[in-house]
Amino acid sequence: EPEVTQTPSHQVTQMGQEVILRCVPISNHLYFYWYRQILGQKVEFLVSFYNNEISEKSEIFDDQFSVERPDGSNFTLKIRSTKLEDSAMYFCASSDKGALGNTIYFGEGSWLTVV
Amino acid sequence: GNSVTQMEGPVTLSEEAFLTINCTYTATGYPSLFWYVQYPGEGLQLLLKATKADDKGSNKGFEATYRKETTSFHLEKGSVQVSDSAVYFCALSDRRAGGGNKLTFGTGTQLKVEL
Repeated sequence: EPEVTQTPSHQVTQMGQEVILRCVPISNHLYFYWYRQILGQKVEFLVSFYNNEISEKSEIFDDQFSVERPDGSNFTLKIRSTKLEDSAMYFCASSDKGALGNTIYFGEGSWLTVV
Repeated sequence: GNSVTQMEGPVTLSEEAFLTINCTYTATGYPSLFWYVQYPGEGLQLLLKATKADDKGSNKGFEATYRKETTSFHLEKGSVQVSDSAVYFCALSDRRAGGGNKLTFGTGTQLKVEL
């Protein structure tokens, strides 16, 4: 069964450093997403991406965050200058359509620890 | 705005017990409703969904019925197994003008099933 894959599974970084989290969405999908889950809290929407541009972003997704689809298969989340509060599990997701009720498929997550 | 409220966990049951995990929602529109499951060390997997009132989603013995009158989508299983031990997330999505299909999650309910 096709799946969303993410790397790295776990990364430890120092505060202020740049981090890039990578994702390979399911190959025929057109919509891409990043969500995050701070330990013990809700899974939160960060950003959605379609047709090579951001279609929606949350208030969490400030200027420190950016997303890119550098080629036909990868989808990346960059955090320019990490803060302690960026420590979380980051989930990449994709869907083949944007219609209401369409299934969104998640990766296994990248656990980011900022020290 | 949209929100999802789930019963707090952890929920501990004996194998073959009946499971109910309550979920209620608040939405401005007419959302689709989902249950996702996260097994230990894995990502979020769609368990079931329902896209309109009175629809019943079902999968792997789990069921949930979209109740518009009570704004609820409670998850049930008649006889749980140890392998059902996981964290269960209720979620909703509504149409976004920017495209994509943004999910709003509940806090998650941890289920532990013991022999």
